[in-house]
Amino acid sequence: AQSVTQLDSQVPVFEEAPVELRCNYSSSVSVYLFWYVQYPNQGLQLLLKYLSGSTLVESINGFEAEFNKSQTSFHLRKPSVHISDTAEYFCAASGGTSYGKLTFGQGTILTVHP
Amino acid sequence: GAGVSQSPSNKVTEKGKDVELRCDPISGHTALYWYRQRLGQGLEFLIYFQGNSAPDKSGLPSDRFSAERTGESVSTLTIQRTQQEDSAVYLCASSLGTREQFFGPGTRLTVL
Repeated sequence: AQSVTQLDSQVPVFEEAPVELRCNYSSSVSVYLFWYVQYPNQGLQLLLKYLSGSTLVESINGFEAEFNKSQTSFHLRKPSVHISDTAEYFCAASGGTSYGKLTFGQGTILTVHP
Repeated sequence: GAGVSQSPSNKVTEKGKDVELRCDPISGHTALYWYRQRLGQGLEFLIYFQGNSAPDKSGLPSDRFSAERTGESVSTLTIQRTQQEDSAVYLCASSLGTREQFFGPGTRLTVL
């Protein structure tokens, strides 16, 4: 069965610092990868996705993630965070034997301090 | 266009009662999913409908849980004889095919 592991449950950082939220997945076949964000008291929103093609994907608000097949990773990065980036971030995967449904990681709470 | 909608937004019930949660997917989306998010935990897959195919029920935690979908429209998740451990946010998502899923705002279920 597919699994997704987010290595950090909480990541505190200061404003304008870089951040990396780590995600590893387990799958031996084709996989689609996603990062979702959940702001306080809001629903899940898709942040970015990897379906095929370029291994580096970007979001409109400065986040990027790189699909690394050899390391089965899809880490999320941002070179300079803002207070407004404070949220919970979920890595998810679909494909392989769980085609269609998403398998989520446990989530990483990013807290940006002034 | 309209996104995924869910009702009610909040539901408080007593242990042992049955509850029904509703999801209206994005028009034209062939796939519909139900997930559960318990406090402090990630999202758990519950059930998946794709067109007219038999639903994937592999994530339903017990036979107290069931779901129906009428064609490619509304879905209802039913929990019978609710237990306190059923307290969670129940999220519905829809997609065109099997790629990007769009999530609704969720129904927060509290079982007293």
